[in-house]
Amino acid sequence: GAVVSQHPSRVICKSGTSVKIECRSLDFQATTMFWYRQFPKQSLMLMATSNEGSKATYEQGVEKDKFLINHASLTLSTLTVTSAHPEDSSFYICSARTSGAEGYGYTFGSGTRLTVV
Amino acid sequence: RKEVEQDPGPFNVPEGATVAFNCTYSNSASQSFFWYRQDCRKEPKLLMSVYSSGNEDGRFTAQLNRASQYISLLIRDSKLSDSATYLCVVNKGGSYIPTFGRGTSLIVHP
Repeated sequence: GAVVSQHPSRVICKSGTSVKIECRSLDFQATTMFWYRQFPKQSLMLMATSNEGSKATYEQGVEKDKFLINHASLTLSTLTVTSAHPEDSSFYICSARTSGAEGYGYTFGSGTRLTVV
Repeated sequence: RKEVEQDPGPFNVPEGATVAFNCTYSNSASQSFFWYRQDCRKEPKLLMSVYSSGNEDGRFTAQLNRASQYISLLIRDSKLSDSATYLCVVNKGGSYIPTFGRGTSLIVHP
């Protein structure tokens, strides 16, 4: 089945630095990738929808200058958390829409646990 | 009203029990519905799509009630390995953008 590879799985960074998270679709082309953030015991909150070759669409309340999304190819989307602060510590996860014989669904990357110290 | 609402639980049931979760959604134009399973500190994985006529996959049965705008998941003969958080996913009406409920926690004990 469709696989989305997400790296890194875990990162600890100092406050003020930037962190880049990559998501690659391994055996299919992902024209659309969704980026989520999940705090402990909370639901996945959609941050933005990235479309290959165009600007990402951000959800209300998500700072586009802080969370930079690039979807330069059909197999790679990146999320860069710029000038990270402790409140940005969270579980970040990407998802691509996939389609098959039974319709479509969503395949998730394995997530990135970001800790900002 | 939240777009997708679920009872967070936890639902604490013995092995072999039957348990059901509901999920309500606010956008009547939503067309696609899914149940995902998320284990602790892991990514969500598709459990099953929910079709208009209802569908079954082994011990799992999903139903859609458009009139009342909810979907349900029934798990029969619960196993210890069913312990997880079950996420309801509903697409924003007219789009492929998925919206997640906060999840319902299930704990199956011996």
